[in-house]
Amino acid sequence: DGGITQSPKYLFRKEGQNVTLSCEQNLNHDAMYWYRQDPGQGLRLIYYSQIVNDFQKGDIAEGYSVSREKKESFPLTVTSAQKNPTAFYLCASSPRDRANTGELFFGEGSRLTVL
Amino acid sequence: QKEVEQNSGPLSVPEGAIASLNCTYSDRGSQSFFWYRQYSGKSPELIMFIYSNGDKEDGRFTAQLNKASQYVSLLIRDSQPSDSATYLCAVKRYGNKLVFGAGTILRVKS
Repeated sequence: DGGITQSPKYLFRKEGQNVTLSCEQNLNHDAMYWYRQDPGQGLRLIYYSQIVNDFQKGDIAEGYSVSREKKESFPLTVTSAQKNPTAFYLCASSPRDRANTGELFFGEGSRLTVL
Repeated sequence: QKEVEQNSGPLSVPEGAIASLNCTYSDRGSQSFFWYRQYSGKSPELIMFIYSNGDKEDGRFTAQLNKASQYVSLLIRDSQPSDSATYLCAVKRYGNKLVFGAGTILRVKS
């Protein structure tokens, strides 16, 4: 089945460690996004990529890094520079022909907890 | 002022009633508006989008847009317990980037 797969679903990290969240899609979508969701707040955009080998910062990129070496993959690294990384992370994608509809297809999310 | 504002709720309605969810936005130049539903612990899914002033209906859902007043609403008719979820309002920025509100929790009581 086509979809977006995020892994791991749950992740615990010690302070000072970098962690990488995986996001893979087999929908052949051009654009991919990373959002962060905190209780009582909306989804906030971290990074997005419209095409392979290109990505842009979103509203809260500090302390995060991404790569887009393949169309199917858009991993997110949460670095030790991120001061408050405990959150629910959502990866999403959208096809080019639906760019105007704003429809995003989301993965199941990864919940990161810093101990 | 937040770019997209929603009442956090919870909004409680009895089964079969109409649930009315509201959202206001600050950027007067915004053109596209979306409602996503998110069940607890799950990812959001798109249920409606609207571009033009007025109403747009899809089954039990009606989205309403008033650009002059900068608000968009979602009506759910014949509310069911399965409609209980958080409803996220989103506004499209340039480049297909969406700005989300914090969401309204809806509880439908049977």
